[in-house]
Amino acid sequence: GENVEQHPSTLSVQEGDSAVIKCTYSDSASNYFPWYKQELGKGPQLIIDIRSNVGEKKDQRIAVTLNKTAKHFSLHITETQPEDSAVYFCAGGTSGTYKYIFGTGTRLKVLA
Amino acid sequence: NAGVTQTPKFQVLKTGQSMTLQCAQDMNHNSMYWYRQDPGMGLRLIYYSASEGTTDKGEVPNGYNVSRLNKREFSLRLESAAPSQTSVYFCASIRRGVVTDTQYFGPGTRLTVL
Repeated sequence: GENVEQHPSTLSVQEGDSAVIKCTYSDSASNYFPWYKQELGKGPQLIIDIRSNVGEKKDQRIAVTLNKTAKHFSLHITETQPEDSAVYFCAGGTSGTYKYIFGTGTRLKVLA
Repeated sequence: NAGVTQTPKFQVLKTGQSMTLQCAQDMNHNSMYWYRQDPGMGLRLIYYSASEGTTDKGEVPNGYNVSRLNKREFSLRLESAAPSQTSVYFCASIRRGVVTDTQYFGPGTRLTVL
């Protein structure tokens, strides 16, 4: 089955700097990779996703890249702000199987 | 639109007690999920329901049962709670699109088993 590994577990950056979180997956059949942001005391919320037929996707300050050959995908946050501080989860899965495997999360702290 | 709602928000049980966690969604989604979240473990799938009338095991189903009561509601039952079931439980539903599958999560239930 699918296994998703996420690094780093914690990340501190200065406000305005960029943050990068990386995930690797094991199942070559996986074709959908969402990223979630979880604020304290709340459920995860989808922030961006990418399908395997696309190498990169961007939404304002957030971007995700996918390398199918190496089986890894990354979340990039530029011009970080204090409100970006949260726990971020990656996930991987295959459309139609109803199951998504989550990474173990990255706690991002943006220092003002 | 309330989205995904869960009750209760907090619960403390003694070992061996039973309880049911309730989940409802008002987005007319077919698929619903139950996850548990433990420190350093991410989210692990307990059970899911692809559509009304069907349920399937996820990664960690032991000690749990589920009921898909109707399209809106999906409950999780602990028949005999154990300290290892201390966790935060999240319910989710999924909107399937042509390009994107979007999971919507509830606010969670924090369960402590003594």
